[in-house]
Amino acid sequence: DGGITQSPKYLFRKEGQNVTLSCEQNLNHDAMYWYRQDPGQGLRLIYYSQIVNDFQKGDIAEGYSVSREKKESFPLTVTSAQKNPTAFYLCASRPQGNIYYGYTFGSGTRLTVV
Amino acid sequence: DAKTTQPNSMESNEEEPVHLPCNHSTISGTDYIHWYRQLPSQGPEYVIHGLTSNVNNRMASLAIAEDRKSSTLILHRATLRDAAVYYCILSLGDMRFGAGTRLTVKP
Repeated sequence: DGGITQSPKYLFRKEGQNVTLSCEQNLNHDAMYWYRQDPGQGLRLIYYSQIVNDFQKGDIAEGYSVSREKKESFPLTVTSAQKNPTAFYLCASRPQGNIYYGYTFGSGTRLTVV
Repeated sequence: DAKTTQPNSMESNEEEPVHLPCNHSTISGTDYIHWYRQLPSQGPEYVIHGLTSNVNNRMASLAIAEDRKSSTLILHRATLRDAAVYYCILSLGDMRFGAGTRLTVKP
């Protein structure tokens, strides 16, 4: 079955370390997105990519970096510059230019920095 | 900011209908209205979407106002498993989901 896979489901890191969250999709979707969710809050857009080798900053990109070298993959790196990285991270994808279809989300990665 | 506005929270009793509103006054003529829900510690999942006509599926119904500036997600008989955050988003929107509506279902 097609879908989005985020790994790992839980991730623990020490303060000051960079960490990379994986997001892979086999839906042949052009656009991919990263969101951050804090407890009791909505989704906030970190980065998005509408085509391979191109990506744009969202609302809270500071302290994060991404790459889009393959259509299927959109990894997110949480750098040591991110002041409060502990959160639930969600990856999503959708067909680009097709307004009929919406987003498909992964099951998320819960990052805890100690 | 999201192009839709929703109440922060709503409550319902189990087995009663729930009407979740969404305002989207800047909707364009070709924008589809999509609804998603997010269960605790999971990613959002698709619920329903529509353009102009009311839509029904096994999960819910979507009622769209004639001027398309608002819509209502209808859960016909709420169950405890429907407790979630519900998001309304436009297909041509700017990919920002906002805070959604947190639905609490009381037994």
